[in-house]
Amino acid sequence: DAGVTQSPTHLIKTRGQHVTLRCSPISGHKSVSWYQQVLGQGPQFIFQYYEKEERGRGNFPDRFSARQFPNYSSELNVNALLLGDSALYLCASSSSGQGVTDTQYFGPGTRLTVL
Amino acid sequence: GQNIDQPTEMTATEGAIVQINCTYQTSGFNGLFWYQQHAGEAPTFLSYNVLDGLEEKGRFSSFLSRSKGYSYLLLKELQMKDSASYLCAAMDYGQNFVFGPGTRLSVLP
Repeated sequence: DAGVTQSPTHLIKTRGQHVTLRCSPISGHKSVSWYQQVLGQGPQFIFQYYEKEERGRGNFPDRFSARQFPNYSSELNVNALLLGDSALYLCASSSSGQGVTDTQYFGPGTRLTVL
Repeated sequence: GQNIDQPTEMTATEGAIVQINCTYQTSGFNGLFWYQQHAGEAPTFLSYNVLDGLEEKGRFSSFLSRSKGYSYLLLKELQMKDSASYLCAAMDYGQNFVFGPGTRLSVLP
């Protein structure tokens, strides 16, 4: 079975541009979470979606937005990119995330470089 | 507030045992997870504790004390391939993970 997949693998953008990152969860998983990991630090929580609804939001500016589609895949959008947005963006899926402690399984990540 | 603390770096010798400690403070607590992350790769799940005590899984064991807000990951019979970052993450009642900064473990021959 395929694990969590993310695209693209790498991305280079310039300041002020917009970026869309994509994630497909493990088959049967309904919850997707997004994390930002700056080099040398632990992942920072951005969003969690379950059944197409936002269930959690971390401490990130409104330039960051996300959505989940009926097939449970998800997009993370970042507007007006800043140099500080350069990071590894990780997507994680879990089976339910609804009142149950579920293990989150991570995708390979998208490495975003903002020049 | 939410805070996860773990040592930044540790070094150990091949074949030895190493214990990586983690202390946490979160708004609600719904479990403590440990992940392994090799450089340039995604985190992979190692263990999960929600009740006090020790969970053993082959060479890896994880311990939790909820009253102390404390966990550790124990790695036995260290191998060179165990050189990686080890991430401690607490899940809050919102099913959201709060990750620590990670402990970079170097295993020397």
